[in-house]
Amino acid sequence: KAGVTQTPRYLIKTRGQQVTLSCSPISGHRSVSWYQQTPGQGLQFLFEYFSETQRNKGNFPGRFSGRQFSNSRSEMNVSTLELGDSALYLCASRPGGLSPAETQYFGPGTRLLVL
Amino acid sequence: DAKTTQPNSMESNEEEPVHLPCNHSTISGTDYIHWYRQLPSQGPEYVIHGLTSNVNNRMASLAIAEDRKSSTLILHRATLRDAAVYYCILRPSGTYKYIFGTGTRLKVLA
Repeated sequence: KAGVTQTPRYLIKTRGQQVTLSCSPISGHRSVSWYQQTPGQGLQFLFEYFSETQRNKGNFPGRFSGRQFSNSRSEMNVSTLELGDSALYLCASRPGGLSPAETQYFGPGTRLLVL
Repeated sequence: DAKTTQPNSMESNEEEPVHLPCNHSTISGTDYIHWYRQLPSQGPEYVIHGLTSNVNNRMASLAIAEDRKSSTLILHRATLRDAAVYYCILRPSGTYKYIFGTGTRLKVLA
C-alpha cells in the first residue's frame, strides 16, 4: 500500500505571496490532518478534513485554509506569507473513525522557506 | 485539556535498553496513549499505542502505570537508527484529536 505523499517537498516563497501544498492520503483513508512544525513551537495542529468537511481546527489565523476533494486528497493554502510561516508542513491520514486506537500515518512533509 | 510532559532530551549507549518517560496526569479513563517517533528529515512514524495494560510489538514495549498517569516507552536494545524525537500523544475518546507533547530527543552513542 502506498504511503502518504506530499508535494512539493521543498518550496521557497517571498513575503506576501501565497502557497498551496498538496497531500494524497493512503488509499481508503478519509481523514487528512495538517500540522505545522517549527523548531520553536514544535508540532502544532492546523486542521483536519473528513469527507470534504473540516472537522477540527487548531489556533491558526484565517490566512491558513484547506480543502479536501472527493478522492480524499487535500490541499492547504497559506495566503499573504510571513517570515514566521517558514516551517515543515506535515500531512497525516487515517481511516477517520472515532476509535481512539486509530493510527495516523504521516507524509514526509513540505519544507517551506519564506524570504 | 489533557496534556503530556516529556524530558527534552535523553542519551543512551548503543545496544542498551532505553526507557523514555511520559507524564499524562490529566488523562481520562478511556484516552489512549500513542507513541510516535520522528527520524531526521522525515515525518513522524507510529511506534506503539495502548490503553491500560502493557503492550509489546516488534519495535518497542509500552509500560503504562496502574493509575495511567504516566507511561514509559521501552526500546530493548537501542541502535544508532533509533536516534529520533519520540512523541507521547494522547488520543481522547469521543474526540478526533491527537494531543502531541513536545517530544524527547533521543541521542544514541556508539
